[in-house]
Amino acid sequence: QSVLTQPPSMSAAPGQKVTISCSGSSSNIGNNYVSWYQQFPGTAPKLLIYDNNKRPSGIPDRFSGSKSGTSATLGITGLQTGDEADYYCGTWDSSLSAGVFGGGTKLTVL
Amino acid sequence: QVQLQQWGAGLLKPSETLSLTCAVSSGSFSGYYWSWIRQPPGTGLEWIGEINHSGSTNYNPSLKSRVTISLDTSKNQFSLKLSSVTAADTAVYYCARSDYSSNWYDWGQGTLVTVSS
Repeated sequence: QSVLTQPPSMSAAPGQKVTISCSGSSSNIGNNYVSWYQQFPGTAPKLLIYDNNKRPSGIPDRFSGSKSGTSATLGITGLQTGDEADYYCGTWDSSLSAGVFGGGTKLTVL
Repeated sequence: QVQLQQWGAGLLKPSETLSLTCAVSSGSFSGYYWSWIRQPPGTGLEWIGEINHSGSTNYNPSLKSRVTISLDTSKNQFSLKLSSVTAADTAVYYCARSDYSSNWYDWGQGTLVTVSS
């Protein structure tokens, strides 16, 4: 069981917007930065969002991140079929002194 | 951005020691943590541990008794050893570079390690 909680799956139509939630506690999300990763089958995860809401160079502004209290959200607008992937949130847990991830959300673009 | 190239044995027997190495393409080890993360088949990511340029380590409490992460700055490499493996350790293992805020920026290509008798 993952320390951070994500919905296992979500789906939306092309062109629509989706928000993926990541819930934690004061020892992780509440007091540390959150990052988000995109993973296609058979490939390594790729950083999409860091420091809660910043995008690395090359990541389109269709992807956004936010954090409030002990929860974080990844938003994707203008969905494309190429956005079908697994999405993970991650952060540091100060009580565990360990990195932690959510269980992942499989996004289907219908 | 740096390139991470990893390698190591892909098939182990129970009780053996897993050993993986990750080469860093360029740049300094300073200012970053160098991590290992694994992903069992069909499941999510599990953080194993990390090391910084001065050799300071942090390990997942659930694996701490079996894990050693080391750094060889002369070769621009860092390594993972996981002892007494069981079938539960079967996973794709990734090396990664993170900052001190635990944002994992760069990832290796992954190595599938299977533990089977």
